[in-house]
Amino acid sequence: AQSVTQLDSQVPVFEEAPVELRCNYSSSVSVYLFWYVQYPNQGLQLLLKYLSGSTLVKGINGFEAEFNKSQTSFHLRKPSVHISDTAEYFCAVGGSGGSNYKLTFGKGTLLTVNP
Amino acid sequence: DGGITQSPKYLFRKEGQNVTLSCEQNLNHDAMYWYRQDPGQGLRLIYYSQIVNDFQKGDIAEGYSVSREKKESFPLTVTSAQKNPTAFYLCASRGGQGARETQYFGPGTRLLVL
Repeated sequence: AQSVTQLDSQVPVFEEAPVELRCNYSSSVSVYLFWYVQYPNQGLQLLLKYLSGSTLVKGINGFEAEFNKSQTSFHLRKPSVHISDTAEYFCAVGGSGGSNYKLTFGKGTLLTVNP
Repeated sequence: DGGITQSPKYLFRKEGQNVTLSCEQNLNHDAMYWYRQDPGQGLRLIYYSQIVNDFQKGDIAEGYSVSREKKESFPLTVTSAQKNPTAFYLCASRGGQGARETQYFGPGTRLLVL
């Protein structure tokens, strides 16, 4: 079974400050990892994904994430946030092989960027 | 433009009524999914379909039903057996060469009970 823990339910930051949203996962098989963003009353938009290869993944809107297999983490970072980054962020894990068609989502982290 | 459409954006259900949420995609994806989102709960999988005329229950299928008669369409019916249907419902599809696990989401339908 797979599970995802997003360690912070809410993260308030000031504009132009750096931010890190934390995600830990558990899985007994090789994993694929994702970060999605959701703006109010909208669907989820893919920010970035790790399937294989380089452990540092760059996504849209200046976000990046690092896959750390030994710590089973996939934290999302941005060096300087904007007001428009205010949204809810979801980490998700999918497995390879027989379970590669299902994703397990974390409960989300609400990022609030203040002026 | 390719994408996923969901309708309606808002849906109101009366007690004892069945309602159907529409999901259509023109991405030529084989797999489609329905999720339920409640505040602070993340996304929970209701049903998924990997191919036409086939679908499987997810983690919270009770009180819901689906059909997959066409590749493009995966409607979700919320039945009267679902006692707490108020939520935001998201449809997703997965596919494409090299996409592997990547799922793409529609804009969602918010279901409210009158």
